[in-house]
Amino acid sequence: RKEVEQDPGPFNVPEGATVAFNCTYSNSASQSFFWYRQDCRKEPKLLMSVYSSGNEDGRFTAQLNRASQYISLLIRDSKLSDSATYLCVVHRDDKIIFGKGTRLHILP
Amino acid sequence: GAGVSQSPSNKVTEKGKDVELRCDPISGHTALYWYRQSLGQGLEFLIYFQGNSAPDKSGLPSDRFSAERTGGSVSTLTIQRTQQEDSAVYLCASSLVYSGNTIYFGEGSWLTVV
Repeated sequence: RKEVEQDPGPFNVPEGATVAFNCTYSNSASQSFFWYRQDCRKEPKLLMSVYSSGNEDGRFTAQLNRASQYISLLIRDSKLSDSATYLCVVHRDDKIIFGKGTRLHILP
Repeated sequence: GAGVSQSPSNKVTEKGKDVELRCDPISGHTALYWYRQSLGQGLEFLIYFQGNSAPDKSGLPSDRFSAERTGGSVSTLTIQRTQQEDSAVYLCASSLVYSGNTIYFGEGSWLTVV
């Protein structure tokens, strides 16, 4: 089993819809969690950190479920510009692991 | 600039030649990372530095790959005797310290081996 797993997608979602995807991690010692966004042929960029209590930034909501060992990202009122690959990142003291990413296509 | 800077942006080299890729991290960042990404694939971890030390070199694909960091700042990734399968974008990143902090990426060095 991979340490960090994401559904590769693609998720094809109409503009304006709400979409959510999860990222599961296998090591309970994982401490910090992040979501990154990567556009085609560009470098990954931080979208948001994931806090234990959950956090929101505009249309984006990130949540952490330590009991079930997953993090989630919810995008409301999706825009065409949200089309990208979303990477989850899990940090432990001794390791940083990037998921392979979930591809999201927002359809007009 | 304030971000992670990489050079060259693009490099086309002949099979068998050596290449050197450079990374200038964000000022004050003690951790520096090298990743590789082939088109349509996920990030492949190569190596990271904390200061000038490389505690984890486990991701280097072969002994043709080496990296160094001097003065706790600039890092160089060297690929000797390049092969076609080395063609990829090589991404450098940095963070304040290893683990727990936001990692910032450079724009990458696109390597094509012909």
